[in-house]
Amino acid sequence: GAVVSQHPSRVICKSGTSVKIECRSLDFQATTMFWYRQFPKQSLMLMATSNEGSKATYEQGVEKDKFLINHASLTLSTLTVTSAHPEDSSFYICSARGSLNEKLFFGSGTQLSVL
Amino acid sequence: GQNIDQPTEMTATEGAIVQINCTYQTSGFNGLFWYQQHAGEAPTFLSYNVLDGLEEKGRFSSFLSRSKGYSYLLLKELQMKDSASYLCAVGPSGNTPLVFGKGTRLSVIA
Repeated sequence: GAVVSQHPSRVICKSGTSVKIECRSLDFQATTMFWYRQFPKQSLMLMATSNEGSKATYEQGVEKDKFLINHASLTLSTLTVTSAHPEDSSFYICSARGSLNEKLFFGSGTQLSVL
Repeated sequence: GQNIDQPTEMTATEGAIVQINCTYQTSGFNGLFWYQQHAGEAPTFLSYNVLDGLEEKGRFSSFLSRSKGYSYLLLKELQMKDSASYLCAVGPSGNTPLVFGKGTRLSVIA
């Protein structure tokens, strides 16, 4: 089946630093990627939709200047958490879909801990 | 609006059968998905229904009734490793993001 690779799986950083998370589709071209955030024992919350070659669409309440998304190619999207704070500590998951009606494939997730 | 409801928690015994229900109200419909998520891990795909009826895949089956806005995931011969959260998700239409329910935490006990 299709594989989505996400890196890093875990990151611990100091408050005020920036963290970049990469999401790659390994054996298919992902025209659309989605970034989710999940707090403990809660459901997935969509942060933004990333389309190759265009600006990301952010969900209400998600700061686009804080969570920078770049989808420069059909196989790579990145999420950069800028000036991270402890409240940004969460599990971030990317997902990709190759074309319409295809199921969503998830990356393995990134556990971000901001000290 | 978009709304997906599923029970928060369920408990079942090893070897038994459990049914996890999901009801949805979305502005469009392009298929219903079930995902399994173990604590600290990303969701993994279980099933996809776009037409009414039952889809069986090993110990897991998923049912859909579009007219009722209803689906269920059936797990047979429960094993301890089936303890996880089960997420119901609907694809509203086109290339819009999936809308996820809050998930059902299933605990399988001996």
